[in-house]
Order: sequence, then structure tokens, then C-alpha cells
Amino acid sequence: EAQVTQNPRYLITVTGKKLTVTCSQNMNHEYMSWYRQDPGLGLRQIYYSMNVEVTDKGDVPEGYKVSRKEKRNFPLILESPSPNQTSLYFCASSSQGQGNTEAFFGQGTRLTVV
Amino acid sequence: DAKTTQPNSMESNEEEPVHLPCNHSTISGTDYIHWYRQLPSQGPEYVIHGLTSNVNNRMASLAIAEDRKSSTLILHRATLRDAAVYYCILKKYNNDMRFGAGTRLTVKP
Repeated sequence: EAQVTQNPRYLITVTGKKLTVTCSQNMNHEYMSWYRQDPGLGLRQIYYSMNVEVTDKGDVPEGYKVSRKEKRNFPLILESPSPNQTSLYFCASSSQGQGNTEAFFGQGTRLTVV
Repeated sequence: DAKTTQPNSMESNEEEPVHLPCNHSTISGTDYIHWYRQLPSQGPEYVIHGLTSNVNNRMASLAIAEDRKSSTLILHRATLRDAAVYYCILKKYNNDMRFGAGTRLTVKP
């Protein structure tokens, strides 16, 4: 079954404690991205990757890092989380096309930073 | 970046058709029009996409204006399970997708 898997689904952490949210897809997609969703602000793109070792900033990259060492994985790293990073995070993937390919989303990771 | 404009909310009765409008007056020639929906407590899911011609699939139909500055997602018979936030997005040639606020669809029994 085609899917994007995020882990963990829920996480409560303390300010400053480094954490990683994993994202894995089983569709051999080239393109992957991370979004955060906040009430009243909708889904905002954090980082995206067009292929292995190719990453770029989205609209709200501050406080986040990503890496793309393998095609299937695109982890989101918060080196020093702060309460304003409390949010619902979604990972997405799609095959390379020219805008005409379907994007698949994970089920989300609800992060609380206290 | 090309933006989309959608009504904040719409209501429909169950079993009736629903027409969800979207304006995208600054669309570029290579942008595809995509629609996604987000059910409560879930990630967005793909509904349909098109470039210039109208499109049909098992979930919905997409009607695209001739000048491509607007489009309409059509749910032929709304069910309670169609209650969700519907996003109209312009997907670029490099796969970049930026979400707007979407339309919250309420379906009344």
C-alpha cells in the first residue's frame, strides 16, 4: 500500500531538547516536503527536497533542519525546540513530474513543546 | 507566488451536489490546479487535478474556466463523509505546493 509514514504521531517535549520527527515513503518519490499546521494560519511549508541531497527552505524554515540522505526518508530535526514550534506537522511526497502528480501526506505528528 | 481565493465555508445538504469555487487570477501557464481535502484529524488527501480541460474521477469533477483564472470542484452527491476542509492549490512544475485557508464544507443530513 502506498503510504507516507511519520513517527511519532504524538510528542511532548521540553524546551531545548533536540528531537527528530521521521518521515518515510514507499513510493520511490523524488519530491518530499514538510508542513506545519496552526489554527488560523493553515498549512505552511517548512522545507522541501527535490531529490537525494537536494533540500531547500520553504516559507517558515527558522528553527528546523532537514536531511535527505536516502530517497525514502526525510527527517525533520528540531535542534533546540521552543514553545512556538508547538504545532501539527505533516510530511508529503510526490513523484517528479511537472506539477501533474498527486501528493501523498502522512497522518501528522502533533508536537507540544513545554 | 500565485495565490488562490476560496470562500471560508460552505454548507450543503446530504445527497445534493456541491460546487466549491476557487479563484486563481495570477495562475501561470505551467501551474496545475489541484484540489485536496482534509478530514478531521487526518492529513490532506488528493481529490483531483487538471491543467486546462475539465476532469472527472470517482471522487469529483473539476471544471476549469477557459481563461484558467478560476475553477470549481464539483461533488455530485455530498455525503456526511465529505465534510472536510477543501483546498484549491496551484502546483508548480517543480512540485511546489502552497496551501491557502481552504473552504470548510459542512454537510447537513
